[in-house]
Amino acid sequence: NAGVTQTPKFRVLKTGQSMTLLCAQDMNHEYMYWYRQDPGMGLRLIHYSVGEGTTAKGEVPDGYNVSRLKKQNFLLGLESAAPSQTSVYFCASSYSISGWRNIQYFGAGTRLSVL
Amino acid sequence: DAKTTQPTSMDCAEGRAANLPCNHSTISGNEYVYWYRQIHSQGPQYIIHGLKNNETNEMASLIITEDRKSSTLILPHATLRDTAVYYCIVRPQNTGNQFYFGTGTSLTVIP
Repeated sequence: NAGVTQTPKFRVLKTGQSMTLLCAQDMNHEYMYWYRQDPGMGLRLIHYSVGEGTTAKGEVPDGYNVSRLKKQNFLLGLESAAPSQTSVYFCASSYSISGWRNIQYFGAGTRLSVL
Repeated sequence: DAKTTQPTSMDCAEGRAANLPCNHSTISGNEYVYWYRQIHSQGPQYIIHGLKNNETNEMASLIITEDRKSSTLILPHATLRDTAVYYCIVRPQNTGNQFYFGTGTSLTVIP
């Protein structure tokens, strides 16, 4: 049982390049999330999904797109990377969004540098 | 969502109990208190959560005051592996999807 797996673990991009971060979970969770964490700061929600085929904006969605074509996968895309998107990206999943059962399980993170 | 206030940093001697406070004075009746921790460079890890009653699991205990305006996470016998940033989060029961992590408390366990 791998939990939440993120690929790649590290990536360096040039300004204007595009890339896709992949998140995969094997816990059959309905809900998935993408966060970013800048140095010395807490996590901020970028986008989330409440089920296959659905996505919604979080706190800082600009410059990112997401897709949830399969229940187990949640993709985060950067169409034209900017230096301000240099960050550590975390994916999470949860069984429910209700208060009692919204325990989020996180991946190990993707460290992205945009030069 | 209610906001939380935590000390920026704390130290604890190895083997002693670590008591991490969190103030959530604007918490409403349907908001749960969650605690996560993040060990350096890793993804956050769930610790414990509660609504009104005190809770205990294999990792920690959560003490919530009767007025629910503050809580304390207790690590009963801190080890060096407990050195991490600890986040206190309050979240509504059935509304919204935001999980605001804030900047947390950086706990250092000293040998």
